[in-house]
Order: sequence, then C-alpha cells, then structure tokens
Amino acid sequence: DQQVKQNSPSLSVQEGRISILNCDYTNSMFDYFLWYKKYPAEGPTFLISISSIKDKNEDGRFTVFLNKSAKHLSLHIVPSQPGDSAVYFCAASMDSNYQLIWGAGTKLIIKP
Amino acid sequence: GAGVSQSPRYKVAKRGQDVALRCDPISGHVSLFWYQQALGQGPEFLTYFQNEAQLDKSGLPSDRFFAERPEGSVSTLKIQRTQQEDSAVYLCASSPWTLRNTGELFFGEGSRLTVL
Repeated sequence: DQQVKQNSPSLSVQEGRISILNCDYTNSMFDYFLWYKKYPAEGPTFLISISSIKDKNEDGRFTVFLNKSAKHLSLHIVPSQPGDSAVYFCAASMDSNYQLIWGAGTKLIIKP
Repeated sequence: GAGVSQSPRYKVAKRGQDVALRCDPISGHVSLFWYQQALGQGPEFLTYFQNEAQLDKSGLPSDRFFAERPEGSVSTLKIQRTQQEDSAVYLCASSPWTLRNTGELFFGEGSRLTVL
C-alpha cells in the first residue's frame, strides 16, 4: 500500500517554461514533506521542504505547495533549466518516527 | 571529500553469499540512515542510528539483514545468505540533527548489489 504516490513516471517541459511535479499521500499523520532530486549514479540531494503548518514554501526557482485537505503537494520550478533534468522524489514523514516514506519518483526532462 | 562515502559502489554476489556494505557519514553527523531502493522505486527505510545506538530497525526485511555503527561514525550493513530479491541499491544518509522533521538528509551515492 503506497502511502506516497507520484503518478507521473515522467514529464517533459520546454526550457524556460514552468515544471509542475505532483505528489499525493494517503496518511493524514504526515506532517513534514520534502522534495529530493536525483541524477543518475548519484544519491538523492535535498531540494526543498514544507511543514504541514504551512501551505507554501519558496526557495529561488523552486516552490512547494501543500493542500492538506486534498492530501496533495506539488513542486513548481520556474523557469525550468536544462540542469533541472533529473528524477524528483517526494517524501513524507511524521513526528512519531524517523522514517521518510518516498514516492516512486518522476523523471523530468527539460527540452532545449 | 566531505560527503557521505559508500563502498563498494557495485557488488555482485552469488545467491547464498554474505555481503557487507560500508558507509562513512559526514564527520560529526549524529544521525545515520540506511535505505533500500529497488529499480524504478523510491527508497525504503531500513534502519536508523543516533550515534552508536540503533533506535529503529523496523524496516529491515528479515533477520538476514544486520546493521551496526559501533563507534558512532562508520556503519556497516550486512546481508547474510543473499537472495535474488535483495538486489537493489543500498543508500546511506547522514544528518547533523537528532530531532525528527528537522531537515534534509545527506545521501551517499549508494551501493548497487546484484545477486545472481
């Protein structure tokens, strides 16, 4: 039973446009959400996070939106750049334990 | 380098062999995690150490899996009598924090295990 779902295995976006990556979760106990980016043959690297007490967090070109009622979060990248081509993972955790629960990832391809 | 270092990067084992995977976390990082990532999936939690104490091992899939961090720095994940379903990338991550929900984990490049 997947508690964190990324329903789009891949996404292709034109350079300079907005990339929107989506993530859904089922466990209402999750209270902290993170996005990680992964290049081939490398470990995931942290991108941005959001606590459940917020509905938006912004860091440069990256913004994460959280809709608790819909159990949905999204990552917006504006403008998209070729170096953004990678696999993006959504992850969630709850205060009661140390585990991160991960989605399966979305492969983002930025076309020049 | 200053990042998390894992070895070996690639390991091929025959079914039934024992393997040991090593993780060198960032110096001074208190927390250390092991995750297992199957092909096309996200990482799955295996175990968590705070210094030398293993506080959570609920993700270890069977008693063939064992992890240790005896001096609170380097950690080893050992898999006994490997099976084909153990084939995956094993990721180690560390962080300077001990509190939950307080930020990012720093990941190594992973050890890719293939069991034939």
